[in-house]
Amino acid sequence: GAGVSQTPSNKVTEKGKYVELRCDPISGHTALYWYRQSLGQGPEFLIYFQGTGAADDSGLPNDRFFAVRPEGSVSTLKIQRTERGDSAVYLCASRLTGRARETQYFGPGTRLLVL
Amino acid sequence: AQTVTQSQPEMSVQEAETVTLSCTYDTSESDYYLFWYKQPPSRQMILVIRQEAYKQQNATENRFSVNFQKAAKSFSLKISDSQLGDAAMYFCVLSGAGSYQLTFGKGTKLSVIP
Repeated sequence: GAGVSQTPSNKVTEKGKYVELRCDPISGHTALYWYRQSLGQGPEFLIYFQGTGAADDSGLPNDRFFAVRPEGSVSTLKIQRTERGDSAVYLCASRLTGRARETQYFGPGTRLLVL
Repeated sequence: AQTVTQSQPEMSVQEAETVTLSCTYDTSESDYYLFWYKQPPSRQMILVIRQEAYKQQNATENRFSVNFQKAAKSFSLKISDSQLGDAAMYFCVLSGAGSYQLTFGKGTKLSVIP
């Protein structure tokens, strides 16, 4: 596809459940980012992948959050024992490395609602 | 630490008029990038314009232009000939030149009045 895609578009779950959010970056983009956007706020950084490895996970709020990118393309953000405070839009972005590497391209996000 | 401040939570502009959105930032890095992204109700974050900090010339992109004042750490966005499709949340964004992790402001909601 031409852009970053994210699935599902919306996810409703119950407190305490486990969820997985998927991101499919632009083909050829080796760098991938996850951000969390709470209602009425700007997105906040969660984690950054360069290839298959997490180069910076300093934004993950606690150990209930985990992300993987096993083949250097698709990434999955995993949230264990969800809490109502996890409700937010989760955005994924990717970028090139090399020329024009500073610009990130975003997916449409997954809106997570924890009841 | 990097910070971005947008002091205008909401702005409105008449269609075909010009509006300026304000932004100030703080960073200890010497090499960085600044962006304006727009986010319509569809949630899709769309790049509007970008500015390399080492370039003195202000970036322009069709009806969009910036006023980059590096010493004052100010980065405002001017939208000329405003159109109904410009209505969205606008985020001022700062990126270092290492991991290129983005730091967002809280956003300015722009309404365009027909």
